[in-house]
Amino acid sequence: DAGVTQSPTHLIKTRGQQVTLRCSPKSGHDTVSWYQQALGQGPQFIFQYYEEEERQRGNFPDRFSGHQFPNYSSELNVNALLLGDSALYLCASSLVQTESAFFGQGTRLTVV
Amino acid sequence: AQKITQTQPGMFVQEKEAVTLDCTYDTSDQSYGLFWYKQPSSGEMIFLIYQGSYDEQNATEGRYSLNFQKARKSANLVISASQLGDSAMYFCAMREDTGRRALTFGSGTRLQVQP
Repeated sequence: DAGVTQSPTHLIKTRGQQVTLRCSPKSGHDTVSWYQQALGQGPQFIFQYYEEEERQRGNFPDRFSGHQFPNYSSELNVNALLLGDSALYLCASSLVQTESAFFGQGTRLTVV
Repeated sequence: AQKITQTQPGMFVQEKEAVTLDCTYDTSDQSYGLFWYKQPSSGEMIFLIYQGSYDEQNATEGRYSLNFQKARKSANLVISASQLGDSAMYFCAMREDTGRRALTFGSGTRLQVQP
């Protein structure tokens, strides 16, 4: 049973560019959440998708957007990249009726 | 708003000894869940243990146990018989049982197990 998979694992982008990160949830999971983890800090919640809609959003600007597909996979898009967007981006999947979220290995984004 | 506080930036423990990682939380909700995750240098967050706010017994999972003191709003992780592979960052997190279950994380504790 494959767990949560994210791609790519590493990415380097230039300020002002746009980036798309991808996540495939654990088999059977219907909810995908995205987190940003800056160096030396705990993850910060960006947003969550369920039934192809954004259901909950953290304190992130509109430059951060996402999408969930019918197969429950998800994308995170960040426009107009800033140096401060450099971080590890984690995807987590879960089921509504279960207690724990399972995380992928993350995508490490570096903005130069 | 919910908040998680981990006051120990780093901890050292000798192999085979037990260690307690502290976590306090703040929430106005009556129903919530508390989690501990382990993050090795590879980056993946590994789920360790869960405690529901209405659970009367402290949660245990193998060598991990959660010391839940609701009145004090604390949810400390106890690792028994530490192993070298336990060296990692440890994060306490909380989820309020409203909305779609987003997690709020603490700042983490770096545990180093010494031989």
